[in-house]
Amino acid sequence: RKEVEQDPGPFNVPEGATVAFNCTYSNSASQSFFWYRQDCRKEPKLLMSVYSSGNEDGRFTAQLNRASQYISLLIRDSKLSDSATYLCVVRGNNAGNMLTFGGGTRLMVKP
Amino acid sequence: DVKVTQSSRYLVKRTGEKVFLECVQDMDHENMFWYRQDPGLGLRLIYFSYDVKMKEKGDIPEGYSVSREKKERFSLILESASTNQTSMYLCASSRPPGLAGDEQFFGPGTRLTVL
Repeated sequence: RKEVEQDPGPFNVPEGATVAFNCTYSNSASQSFFWYRQDCRKEPKLLMSVYSSGNEDGRFTAQLNRASQYISLLIRDSKLSDSATYLCVVRGNNAGNMLTFGGGTRLMVKP
Repeated sequence: DVKVTQSSRYLVKRTGEKVFLECVQDMDHENMFWYRQDPGLGLRLIYFSYDVKMKEKGDIPEGYSVSREKKERFSLILESASTNQTSMYLCASSRPPGLAGDEQFFGPGTRLTVL
């Protein structure tokens, strides 16, 4: 079983749609959680951290469920520019800031 | 803005060659990382370093070595390149965990092809 699992997609949605991605992680000792975005042929970039209380940044909402060990990302009012691969990322309790990446979920927003 | 640069965007080498991939960051970050990214496998950590001259193995260190002689520079070395090392290589840097702004910042990647 992979440490961090995501549905690879692709998710094909029309502009303006709401789309949600889930991610599950296997290490219950994981401490921190993130969503990174990766555009085609580009490097990953931090989209948002995920806090236990849930957090929102504009059209993006992230939730964490520690009991069930899953993380979600909700995108409202999808834009064409949201088309990318979204990486679920987990950090354990380690001093080296080592991250474990999910395989990514590909989103394609269509006009 | 944090800037992480990698020496090459594209590299083509032959089997058995020694390959050096260089990474430089300009934000005085303590931690630096080398990953490879392959379709269906995601990003996998090869090596990381949390200080000058310090290195730790990641998940897939076999066939690789690293060097960190200066804080801003982290090199990945393929002693004898093989075709299964054809991949996208990504370097990243970060502050220690728990500090504000401790996310990892990535370089643009080096797409290495080994023939």
